[in-house]
Amino acid sequence: DQQVKQNSPSLSVQEGRISILNCDYTNSMFDYFLWYKKYPAEGPTFLISISSIKDKNEDGRFTVFLNKSAKHLSLHIVPSQPGDSAVYFCAASNPGTYKYIFGTGTRLKVLA
Amino acid sequence: GAVVSQHPSRVICKSGTSVKIECRSLDFQATTMFWYRQFPKQSLMLMATSNEGSKATYEQGVEKDKFLINHASLTLSTLTVTSAHPEDSSFYICSAAVDGDANYGYTFGSGTRLTVV
Repeated sequence: DQQVKQNSPSLSVQEGRISILNCDYTNSMFDYFLWYKKYPAEGPTFLISISSIKDKNEDGRFTVFLNKSAKHLSLHIVPSQPGDSAVYFCAASNPGTYKYIFGTGTRLKVLA
Repeated sequence: GAVVSQHPSRVICKSGTSVKIECRSLDFQATTMFWYRQFPKQSLMLMATSNEGSKATYEQGVEKDKFLINHASLTLSTLTVTSAHPEDSSFYICSAAVDGDANYGYTFGSGTRLTVV
């Protein structure tokens, strides 16, 4: 049972445009969500997080939106840059636990 | 920021041998470390949670006798793949939780690509 889902395996966006990566979850108990960026053969790099008490968190070009009623979060990257090309994972955790459940990832390709 | 060093980055071993992967927190103490495994085009799957000074907690379906985890100090956790088989070939990644940091489990190692021939 995949509790965290990223239904789009890949996404291509023109440089300068907005990239929107989506993530859905099934467990309403999740209280903390993160987005990671991963290059091939490297470990994931933390990008941005959001607590379930918020619906938006912004950090530079990256903004994460959380819709608890829809059990949906999204990562917006604007403007997109070629260096943003990577696989993006969303992850979620239950209260009081360090354990994260990851989505399957979305490969973003930003075209110059 | 917090840095986690993972070694080796790549290893090729023969079937039946054992391989040890190290995960070190370089500039912080990590009471808890996590070991993940990733198959091609799949998600990171948590294998086990490693707690300093106590036995690791394994996720369902992960063989504890095959994947030995030792967390002997606050800066080092090791994963030993015993009697490796080709199906153990995968990308293994550790993650360390910074004590007292509300942003749990942020810092990952760079991963180890294991190939069993």
